[in-house]
Amino acid sequence: GNSVTQMEGPVTLSEEAFLTINCTYTATGYPSLFWYVQYPGEGLQLLLKATKADDKGSNKGFEATYRKETTSFHLEKGSVQVSDSAVYFCALSDSERDDKIIFGKGTRLHILP
Amino acid sequence: GAGVSQTPSNKVTEKGKYVELRCDPISGHTALYWYRQSLGQGPEFLIYFQGTGAADDSGLPNDRFFAVRPEGSVSTLKIQRTERGDSAVYLCASSLSGVGGTEQFFGPGTRLTVL
Repeated sequence: GNSVTQMEGPVTLSEEAFLTINCTYTATGYPSLFWYVQYPGEGLQLLLKATKADDKGSNKGFEATYRKETTSFHLEKGSVQVSDSAVYFCALSDSERDDKIIFGKGTRLHILP
Repeated sequence: GAGVSQTPSNKVTEKGKYVELRCDPISGHTALYWYRQSLGQGPEFLIYFQGTGAADDSGLPNDRFFAVRPEGSVSTLKIQRTERGDSAVYLCASSLSGVGGTEQFFGPGTRLTVL
């Protein structure tokens, strides 16, 4: 079945550091790929998405590229801020069927000032 | 309202009791999803409604779990004979169509604690 594997946390970085959170997936067909973010005390919200191979999703300085050849969707940001501290979830959905989302376990990110 | 709302925000119950969790989706969204998030894990899919019908209930863990959406808007997740292992945050999400990668908007969740 479909699944998502992402790097375990917590990840601790200093402000302005470069961020990469690795994510790989297993899927039949052509899934849509997502990164969701959960800030402390807030609900889950979509950060970015890509719906086909080689698409790049971007938002708030974060980027991720849909790599079919390596079945990956790594999240990157060039210069993190304290306000980026949150839990990040990589996810996929079979958008031709019913869009139910399969999530990774999440990566907690701490940014130190 | 502007977003997905869920009530109650917190529910504490005793083992063996029955609970109902409510979800109010964004107005006009035909697709509604329930997920369950255990501590330290990502959300896991439970059930998907398209309109009034349950189009995919493959994620319901057993027959103690049931959900309804009688008028195609508000949904209720019902759990019978609760067990301690049911303790989790139950999330509801809605989207415009339910196919094609349309964005799902999540509610704040109901934290269920079974003592």
